[in-house]
Amino acid sequence: GAGVSQSPSNKVTEKGKDVELRCDPISGHTALYWYRQSLGQGLEFLIYFQGNSAPDKSGLPSDRFSAERTGGSVSTLTIQRTQQEDSAVYLCASSLEWSGGGYTFGSGTRLTVV
Amino acid sequence: QQQVKQSPQSLIVQKGGISIINCAYENTAFDYFPWYQQFPGKGPALLIAIRPDVSEKKEGRFTISFNKSAKQFSLHIMDSQPGDSATYFCAASSAASNTGKLIFGQGTTLQVKP
Repeated sequence: GAGVSQSPSNKVTEKGKDVELRCDPISGHTALYWYRQSLGQGLEFLIYFQGNSAPDKSGLPSDRFSAERTGGSVSTLTIQRTQQEDSAVYLCASSLEWSGGGYTFGSGTRLTVV
Repeated sequence: QQQVKQSPQSLIVQKGGISIINCAYENTAFDYFPWYQQFPGKGPALLIAIRPDVSEKKEGRFTISFNKSAKQFSLHIMDSQPGDSATYFCAASSAASNTGKLIFGQGTTLQVKP
């Protein structure tokens, strides 16, 4: 597609429920990143996928968070047993391999845990 | 050592004035320093970037100044316009990490008054 597409754009869920956030990167971009942006905060790195290499999961805050990337394209970020502190905007970005940080971000999914 | 510190947190400038945002880093392995602009409800968009082999880069009204010895870099917006009102993030990454993972500053909310 022309840009990075994320869905849903907004998600309200009850505490304790599981949620899945989807990212569809730019066609041909082999690198995919997930970041989290809390209110008034910077962007916190979560996970990185590059081609068929093992993902860099070093930023995942707890074992309730997981992500996968199927077929080198679409990625899903899953949060199990959501907590109120998980409320944030989850941003996905893609790039051409290691492109020196020239990411293209999606518009994000705003997650609210009530 | 992975942090990027950004200041000020917020900035108000009159139309036509100069907006200056500063960032500092500790990790000397960082070798790519982009600035991102984010409008409400949108993902961050790459604005301008610099590598440490140059001390300044200019694109239109936007200039990055880079001081390698001080481990600082700054964004200057000349002739600031109301349409520049947004949140600005500095970031840094290292090619040696082989991930392209960006470390972001906390962000600066810029308001340009007409």
